[in-house]
Amino acid sequence: EVQLVESGGGLVQPGGSLRLSCTASGFFFSDYEMNWVRQAPGKGLEWISYINIISDTIFYADSVKGRFTISRDNAGNSLYLQMNSVKAEDTATYYCARGRVGDGDCADHWGQGTLVTVSP
Amino acid sequence: DIQMTQSPSSLSASVGDTITITCRASQNIIRYLNWYEQKPGKAPKLLIFAASSLQSGVPSRFSGSGSGTEFTLTIRSLQPEDFATYYCHQTYSIPSTFGQGTKLEIK
Repeated sequence: EVQLVESGGGLVQPGGSLRLSCTASGFFFSDYEMNWVRQAPGKGLEWISYINIISDTIFYADSVKGRFTISRDNAGNSLYLQMNSVKAEDTATYYCARGRVGDGDCADHWGQGTLVTVSP
Repeated sequence: DIQMTQSPSSLSASVGDTITITCRASQNIIRYLNWYEQKPGKAPKLLIFAASSLQSGVPSRFSGSGSGTEFTLTIRSLQPEDFATYYCHQTYSIPSTFGQGTKLEIK
């Protein structure tokens, strides 16, 4: 069974840093592209970052570019999101999502999410 | 950025009804359009990929159609568990973007 489990969320002050992790199991992690998607409380979904299987192609949404860094450890079946210089508007539930190339490039499996709250 | 506009934003329906949600893209996205269902407090779940392909395990009462800039999600014979929020999502270009969501409520 495909499983994605996020961790690392919590309360952080504006301007602070946080590192989110996503641990994968039930599939060959190194064969799949990965994404981070977030959802502010009561709001819709926002894609924020993508990484390909060998980490040589990475994209970010403008809202996080220059502040967040996506990375992965294929040997450890893990995806990361380093969040620096966080702002109040970064408050959201952060989901990791597995990408499936070719099938509309859909995100076919999602973790349960980890909540990040940015507040003094 | 490609803008995705869903309509309606909310919808009331009864068990057994058939409903259709529309998603319009601000430019041609061919068939790079996926549909997700989200229930409160849960992660999104993939329903339809590449505009019209049903994800494994998703009931056949869900269907998708469209290409280019206009797409639809149809749910036939609504079941109690279908009352949720539905999102369309384009992956034609970066940044990939979601529609604002359609909340389906019980009448």
